[in-house]
Amino acid sequence: DSGVTQTPKHLITATGQRVTLRCSPRSGDLSVYWYQQSLDQGLQFLIQYYNGEERAKGNILERFSAQQFPDLHSELNLSSLELGDSALYFCASSGGTGRHSPLHFGNGTRLTVT
Amino acid sequence: SQQGEEDPQALSIQEGENATMNCSYKTSINNLQWYRQNSGRGLVHLILIRSNEREKHSGRLRVTLDTSKKSSSLLITASRAADTASYFCATDYGGSQGNLIFGKGTKLSVKP
Repeated sequence: DSGVTQTPKHLITATGQRVTLRCSPRSGDLSVYWYQQSLDQGLQFLIQYYNGEERAKGNILERFSAQQFPDLHSELNLSSLELGDSALYFCASSGGTGRHSPLHFGNGTRLTVT
Repeated sequence: SQQGEEDPQALSIQEGENATMNCSYKTSINNLQWYRQNSGRGLVHLILIRSNEREKHSGRLRVTLDTSKKSSSLLITASRAADTASYFCATDYGGSQGNLIFGKGTKLSVKP
């Protein structure tokens, strides 16, 4: 068990809808990262937060947004959903912003857009 | 584009054999990490090797890094059926540590 909790585990929704994915990092970890995993694109880095502030941005669409709250949990909001957004969304956490720290992944949220 | 590219894409071996997976990357890195993913689950960190290190061991795992060739290898010795999983290399090329760039992985199947 990595200590990172993601909810929900599965989400099925229709095109055009909006969903919110939630993540609780490992106790004591200040950094949260979001990744998208699909068969054709592999694992893509979306965004990173450190202690409530955005630290790095990857291939995140404008329809997607995220935030990290004072209690360090994070939410990833996906809006105007398209079929191509169907994927596994992972949250990961680490102890700080320094390099040489491994990421601890949750078990993901499987999003299916119909 | 993906920073790391694993080779082979798939590998099937018998229990007890060694498994070797390779990773090539394109630009200078700070460190390279290997992760394992069981089907449909989250990734699990296996080992991290810094750019100034050449070899690292952890149990049955051995990782090498050749920065001149921009490549790394992961060796799993005496493989077990429980090692069946996908293995990913991830490179930290700079910027925020969160900018780990993952390859598409090697799917390892260990037959009992």
